[in-house]
Amino acid sequence: DIQMTQSPSTLSASVGDRVTIACRASQSVNNLLAWYQQKPGKAPKLLIYKASSLESGVPSRFSGSGSGTDFTLTINSLQPDDFATYYCQQYDSYSPLTFGGGTKVVIK
Amino acid sequence: QLLLQGSGPGLLRPSQTLSLSCSVSDDSINRGGYSWSWIRQPPGKGLEWIGYSYHSGSPNYNPSLKSRVTISVDRSKNQVSLKLTSVTAADTAVYFCARGHIASRSLAFDIWGQGTMVTVSS
Repeated sequence: DIQMTQSPSTLSASVGDRVTIACRASQSVNNLLAWYQQKPGKAPKLLIYKASSLESGVPSRFSGSGSGTDFTLTINSLQPDDFATYYCQQYDSYSPLTFGGGTKVVIK
Repeated sequence: QLLLQGSGPGLLRPSQTLSLSCSVSDDSINRGGYSWSWIRQPPGKGLEWIGYSYHSGSPNYNPSLKSRVTISVDRSKNQVSLKLTSVTAADTAVYFCARGHIASRSLAFDIWGQGTMVTVSS
């Protein structure tokens, strides 16, 4: 299995901050990485696919970068609606598809 | 807007079989090209992919669950189903159905159901 490790597990930030979340794969996943946002009691929402492609309808303050084993999700000018948990997912290997452990963004 | 609506029993006894259905509100299943996955999330924990199938079959399962899982697509009913046999408390989770995202080779997920909480307890 490809292990996905996110850091930090919890991040405290204020509205307007620039936030960066890291995701590292145990082996190269090329650029086949997605990012999701999940709010309590809700299903995850796709934000980014192919490491840096913004899903339709997602605000442009979200961006993704990276390739190989190291990836980053950046939120520019954090908004109140952005306090949530974020997950990365690799889809280079589908045996199995794997998610990171999550990063919870909380209000400072 | 496409909706996925999951349904099924919320409480199971150990050793029973979990059976869930996911109704797809449009004709995505019959258009083909999309994978249909089940993903679960134990309370307070992260996401675990269970497996997927296409409308034509060709299922692929997480090796950790492969011996107990069956995912099937019923095109006539616009439904995706999950069966998980011999459940234990470790299978307690919210179960999501999800559609594969075409631009991600259908291996990321762009549409999700609302989630169905399943508790396994004696």
